Amino acid sequence: AQRVTQPEKLLSVFKGAPVELKCNYSYSGSPELFWYVQYSRQRLQLLLRHISRESIKGFTADLNKGETSFHLKKPFAQEEDSAMYYCALGNAGNMLTFGGGTRLMVKP
Amino acid sequence: GAVVSQHPSWVICKSGTSVKIECRSLDFQATTMFWYRQFPKQSLMLMATSNEGSKATYEQGVEKDKFLINHASLTLSTLTVTSAHPEDSSFYICSSFDGNTEAFFGQGTRLTVV
Repeated sequence: AQRVTQPEKLLSVFKGAPVELKCNYSYSGSPELFWYVQYSRQRLQLLLRHISRESIKGFTADLNKGETSFHLKKPFAQEEDSAMYYCALGNAGNMLTFGGGTRLMVKP
Repeated sequence: GAVVSQHPSWVICKSGTSVKIECRSLDFQATTMFWYRQFPKQSLMLMATSNEGSKATYEQGVEKDKFLINHASLTLSTLTVTSAHPEDSSFYICSSFDGNTEAFFGQGTRLTVV
């Protein structure tokens, strides 16, 4: 069975501080990991995926198969980063399993 | 990017009535549509997966007779909550892929059963 764990429900940081949103997964196959973001009153949208190895809005995430983690990082948080972040694991059938979500609050 | 349009955004209904939620893919063919349910301050839980022209696959614990899913065309999937009860009150979200590995989500439907 696949499972995604985001240990922090809420993460509060000051503007300009580094931020790391943790995500751990369990999956017997070859995982596809994603981070989705939901800004206030907006729909869920893809932030980044591990296969593209890209940086979006200054965020990066590295898949660590040894630690089964896919933590989301940003060196300098901005107020507009305040949102709900979901880590998700995809399988071959495109089914996504979501973590519980972490609310990021960036204070001025 | 691709757009999934979900309607209505919110609905209030009386106990015992049925409510239909529609999800349309506006600029791509949604061969598969995923339906999620989200309780307050909780994550999205997959309810069912529907494929165009075939019966939906329901996750364990989801009543298929309660949550009727129809996927009659490549651009439209519907979820009907039958004989709704207050415990069915929740946020329902649909999602589909545009052929790549990126999922696109509807804006969600907040259902309140009174």
